[in-house]
Amino acid sequence: SAVISQKPSRDICQRGTSLTIQCQVDSQVTMMFWYRQQPGQSLTLIATANQGSEATYESGFVIDKFPISRPNLTFSTLTVSNMSPEDSSIYLCSATTGGWEQFFGPGTRLTVL
Amino acid sequence: TQLLEQSPQFLSIQEGENLTVYCNSSSVFSSLQWYRQEPGEGPVLLVTVVTGGEVKKLKRLTFQFGDARKDSSLHITAAQPGDTGLYLCAGASNEKLTFGTGTRLTIIP
Repeated sequence: SAVISQKPSRDICQRGTSLTIQCQVDSQVTMMFWYRQQPGQSLTLIATANQGSEATYESGFVIDKFPISRPNLTFSTLTVSNMSPEDSSIYLCSATTGGWEQFFGPGTRLTVL
Repeated sequence: TQLLEQSPQFLSIQEGENLTVYCNSSSVFSSLQWYRQEPGEGPVLLVTVVTGGEVKKLKRLTFQFGDARKDSSLHITAAQPGDTGLYLCAGASNEKLTFGTGTRLTIIP
């Protein structure tokens, strides 16, 4: 298994600014992912964070808006750039250790004013 | 685009009752998972089903994978208030998960 922490847990940001969310895993993992979730709704995959290379983005998400880093096997960051109120959401990090199960962080609740 | 539709979207029942949640897709998945999520937390895996027709039991929860590996159901017997939460099915393919639309379950004491 893997225990995942995220920072910050929540933030309120002004339109036009950027926020970087950190995801730390307590052990080495194979894959890391970033999701977005509207409160009470399902999860939408933003991208797969690849260690040592550019992230793989899903349809509708682009690197300029959501740059992702993964410098090693236990850490990743997601930046939400040039934020607008439509970016208000919960952002979740997850990781796998080789099987199908994904372990999730507690999420970062972002509000953009 | 792979879509997983869950029904019902919302369900509120009395403690002790039984319920079934459905997860349907037009796509075939390598495996299908069920997660439960509580407020302020990330989803937590309940079960993974891999083989068409497979049935797995986890205490009062029974999970079934359709023969064609496109649909699944979750049955809860004698629901308890602790079962309250957001239930999400997720189909696995190419090392990624596609999450279902979610079922918000509330068990009334």
